[in-house]
Amino acid sequence: NAGVTQTPKFRILKIGQSMTLQCTQDMNHNYMYWYRQDPGMGLKLIYYSVGAGITDKGEVPNGYNVSRSTTEDFPLRLELAAPSQTSVYFCASSGTDGYTFGSGTRLTVV
Amino acid sequence: AQKITQTQPGMFVQEKEAVTLDCTYDTSDPSYGLFWYKQPSSGEMIFLIYQGSYDQQNATEGRYSLNFQKARKSANLVISASQLGDSAMYFCAMRGPWNTDKLIFGTGTRLQVFP
Repeated sequence: NAGVTQTPKFRILKIGQSMTLQCTQDMNHNYMYWYRQDPGMGLKLIYYSVGAGITDKGEVPNGYNVSRSTTEDFPLRLELAAPSQTSVYFCASSGTDGYTFGSGTRLTVV
Repeated sequence: AQKITQTQPGMFVQEKEAVTLDCTYDTSDPSYGLFWYKQPSSGEMIFLIYQGSYDQQNATEGRYSLNFQKARKSANLVISASQLGDSAMYFCAMRGPWNTDKLIFGTGTRLQVFP
């Protein structure tokens, strides 16, 4: 199984640009999450989803949007990139077999 | 609100010695789960150990054990016989409300193992 796949692994954005971070899981997990990790810090929840068509805000949702049209996919959208969004982004999913994290996307906004 | 606190920003331990990483938590939910993750310099999140709030015994996984003291709301990670490869960031996390399954993370402890 591939688990949780995130793309891209690295990206540099200019201020004001937009992009979508892709996340796909093949474990048929209902729950999916987006976290961000700033340097030297823990992970903070941006958005989460408890199933297809259902999403909700986490601790730090400002500047981001998500959608969950299928069980497998949970993309994260940045509309107007700001330097404060420079971070490492982790997608994760959970089911009865526990939590699985993607390998992360390192985003730099310049 | 649920909260995880890790008060040790950094810890040093000599190879082959044991080390304890502290974690305290706060929740009003009687059912919760506590996790420890390791994050090496490569960045991936590696699951180490899990303790459920109703588990009667402390969890163990190889060299990792969780010292769960429910009354004190602490869930310390004990690593026995430290190895150089244990040098990494360690995060304590708590599973949030049952209907969301969210994980709430602490700020982490950087462990450095020296020869």
